[in-house]
Amino acid sequence: DGGITQSPKYLFRKEGQNVTLSCEQNLNHDAMYWYRQDPGQGLRLIYYSQIVNDFQKGDIAEGYSVSREKKESFPLTVTSAQKNPTAFYLCASSLGGSGKGNEQFFGPGTRLTVL
Amino acid sequence: DQQVKQNSPSLSVQEGRISILNCDYTNSMFDYFLWYKKYPAEGPTFLISISSIKDKNEDGRFTVFLNKSAKHLSLHIVPSQPGDSAVYFCAASPHFGNEKLTFGTGTRLTIIP
Repeated sequence: DGGITQSPKYLFRKEGQNVTLSCEQNLNHDAMYWYRQDPGQGLRLIYYSQIVNDFQKGDIAEGYSVSREKKESFPLTVTSAQKNPTAFYLCASSLGGSGKGNEQFFGPGTRLTVL
Repeated sequence: DQQVKQNSPSLSVQEGRISILNCDYTNSMFDYFLWYKKYPAEGPTFLISISSIKDKNEDGRFTVFLNKSAKHLSLHIVPSQPGDSAVYFCAASPHFGNEKLTFGTGTRLTIIP
């Protein structure tokens, strides 16, 4: 049963703490992505990775960090430098590579609330 | 600068009628377009896509139309069903195989029984 898992579904943290959101996929996809969704806004790209041990900043990377040590995993750390971290975070993956299509598959999301 | 725009935040349609969701884009480099459907507290799911070499793509009840000169695309759902009630996002990329997608702000579709 292939897919993308994100855990936990709901996460609460105190202001000033770093927090890491998990994303795992067993679709054998090369590319993985992190998005943030806020009310009334579309999905905004935070970071993406086209291959293991490589990643690029998206449109709103400030205050976030990622790693891509394994093909299956792309964890996102929300640092204390992120000024407005409360949001719904979505992880996605795609086949990757030119000519392989653009369709991205999304996980169920993690709602992060910073108190 | 919003390169992909969905100007209608919400739309209500009677069950059985046609739902038409619109999307405009400003970046002339966009060449491949996708529609996603999203339920609350879930990730978006892919619905249908279209390449700029086509002006129409159909998949069951869903049809996407592309007017490249007007930089406009639309998603038609016929007939509309209660399960279609969701937020629909339009997305675009520079070409087929390019991984970066730019998303619109979404349109909340409500199907009235």
